[in-house]
Amino acid sequence: DGGITQSPKYLFRKEGQNVTLSCEQNLNHDAMYWYRQDPGQGLRLIYYSQIVNDFQKGDIAEGYSVSREKKESFPLTVTSAQKNPTAFYLCASSIEATSGVTYEQYFGPGTRLTVT
Amino acid sequence: QKEVEQNSGPLSVPEGAIASLNCTYSDRGSQSFFWYRQYSGKSPELIMFIYSNGDKEDGRFTAQLNKASQYVSLLIRDSQPSDSATYLCAVNLGDSGAGSYQLTFGKGTKLSVIP
Repeated sequence: DGGITQSPKYLFRKEGQNVTLSCEQNLNHDAMYWYRQDPGQGLRLIYYSQIVNDFQKGDIAEGYSVSREKKESFPLTVTSAQKNPTAFYLCASSIEATSGVTYEQYFGPGTRLTVT
Repeated sequence: QKEVEQNSGPLSVPEGAIASLNCTYSDRGSQSFFWYRQYSGKSPELIMFIYSNGDKEDGRFTAQLNKASQYVSLLIRDSQPSDSATYLCAVNLGDSGAGSYQLTFGKGTKLSVIP
């Protein structure tokens, strides 16, 4: 059963604590992405990775960090430096883009993070 | 400013009617266009993708792309109450460099199908 898993589904943390969100895929996709979605807003790209051991900042990377040590895994750490961390976090994966063509991204179920 | 614009809605259509969702984008160089459906509290689900000008049909869904006018639309025929959701348009904005495979998402159009 191929897909993307994210855990946990809901996460509650106190302000000032770092928290790591898990994302695993068994689709054999090279590219993986992290997005953030706020109520009534579109998805905003936090970080992306095209291959293992390489990742790039997206539009809103400040206060976040990632790693890509395995093809299947792309964890996201929300650090205490992120000023407004409460949001719905979505992980996605896709076949790596080639010749200017961007392929479809598939999303995991998401993690809803609440920081108080 | 690189943008993907959608009317936020809500768009209300009666059951059985055609729902028409529109999306405009800012970059003439864009080549990949996607429509996602997102139910409340859930993650986006891919409905269709289109790369070439014209229409692409899949069941009750038709994507229409007009690169000259920089818009892409999604038609839903025989709309059902289960189609009620927010529909997100996504486009690869940017030049042919490293960022060209990134997707920029619109804020979505909320569709309500009335029984």
